Order: sequence, then C-alpha cells, then structure tokens
Amino acid sequence: AQSVTQLDSHVSVSEGTPVLLRCNYSSSYSPSLFWYVQHPNKGLQLLLKYTSAATLVKGINGFEAEFKKSETSFHLTKPSAHMSDAAEYFCVVSDGVYSSASKIIFGSGTRLSIRP
Amino acid sequence: GAGVSQSPRYKVAKRGQDVALRCDPISGHVSLFWYQQALGQGPEFLTYFQNEAQLDKSGLPSDRFFAERPEGSVSTLKIQRTQQEDSAVYLCASSLPVNSPLHFGNGTRLTVT
Repeated sequence: AQSVTQLDSHVSVSEGTPVLLRCNYSSSYSPSLFWYVQHPNKGLQLLLKYTSAATLVKGINGFEAEFKKSETSFHLTKPSAHMSDAAEYFCVVSDGVYSSASKIIFGSGTRLSIRP
Repeated sequence: GAGVSQSPRYKVAKRGQDVALRCDPISGHVSLFWYQQALGQGPEFLTYFQNEAQLDKSGLPSDRFFAERPEGSVSTLKIQRTQQEDSAVYLCASSLPVNSPLHFGNGTRLTVT
C-alpha cells in the first residue's frame, strides 16, 4: 500500500532564507513523486515531478527536490524564500505502474508562511 | 482558455438539495479525476474516468454521489440530498494517460447549510 507523510503542517521562514518542506513516502513499486502548490482560492499547480530519471529534480520558481530511496524521502527545498511563495504545498505519490487512479495519494499539506 | 474549467465557482445548498458540479478538462486529455478537499486537508480521491469510461469510483463516499462523462470530455459530479458533511471544495483534474501530472481546475466550493 502507498502512503505519504508530510512531516510539518506549518513552516514559517523569513524572506531570503532557505525553505525545507519534508515528505516521506512508502510504496510497493518504484513510485512517481510530485510536489504541488496551492495558493488561496486557486487550483493546484505542479511544481515538479520525479519519475525515476535524475534523483535531483528542478521545478518552477526555483524549487527543487531530491529523491532519496534509502530514506524514502522527497523533500522540497528552495535556497531563498520569496513572499510570493506563501501557499499550501502537497507531496503526492503515484504507483510507478499506473494501474489505479486511487493510488495517487496526496499528503495532508504543509502551509508555508514567509515573514518579511 | 487552455486550463481545466470548473463551474460554478461557489455553490450554497440547503441540506437535502441536489447539486451538480461541472468540469471542462483540457482538450485532448483522456483522464479526468474528481477530488474532494475538506478545509485544512489534502485532496481525497473520489472517482476517475478514462474517456467516457468510469474506471474507478472507489472514493465516492456514498451512493448519493454520482459522476458521469458521457462523451469523454465534460464531466458532471452530482450530489443528491446534500448533507452538511458534503461541504468542501470539489476539484477536477485532467491529464494525459500513464502517470502524467494532473492539471487542476480552481475547484467548486460547496457549502451546505
């Protein structure tokens, strides 16, 4: 069975400092992993995806994530936070062999706040 | 527009009323998903279509929930005899098949009073 755990429900950082949003997963197969961002009253937007190519994945807006199989982690990072990064972030795991839509599992989300 | 479009944006229903939520996916996307997102939670899977075929409806919480996609494009999620616990944002997403990223609409916020 698949699952995804976002370790922090809320992260607050100062503008210009690094961001780390943590995600751990479990999967019976080689997973595909995604990070999505949701701004207030907006739809979910894909930040980046991992699909068994390079373990370090670069996404939009300066975000990146590293797939670490030994740690079953897919943490999201950004070197320098911007006020516009304030939003809800979701880690998503999908069965590597896409056999069922119900195996796309969303984490519970991490709310990122940016202090001026 | 090129994105997933959902309507209405907001819906207020009295308990017991029926509602219908519409989703226009991205043209050419064969896969269409419905999710329910309660306040402060991540999206929870409801149902999935590939073209007009509903391949997975294991996430529908009760038989009051029904979804269709008769011509393989626009989809409608219907909720009969709405209850307060149905209050949530209902998200629609579409994608190309086989592990492609999901493209989400802005959602319909349903409030049942």
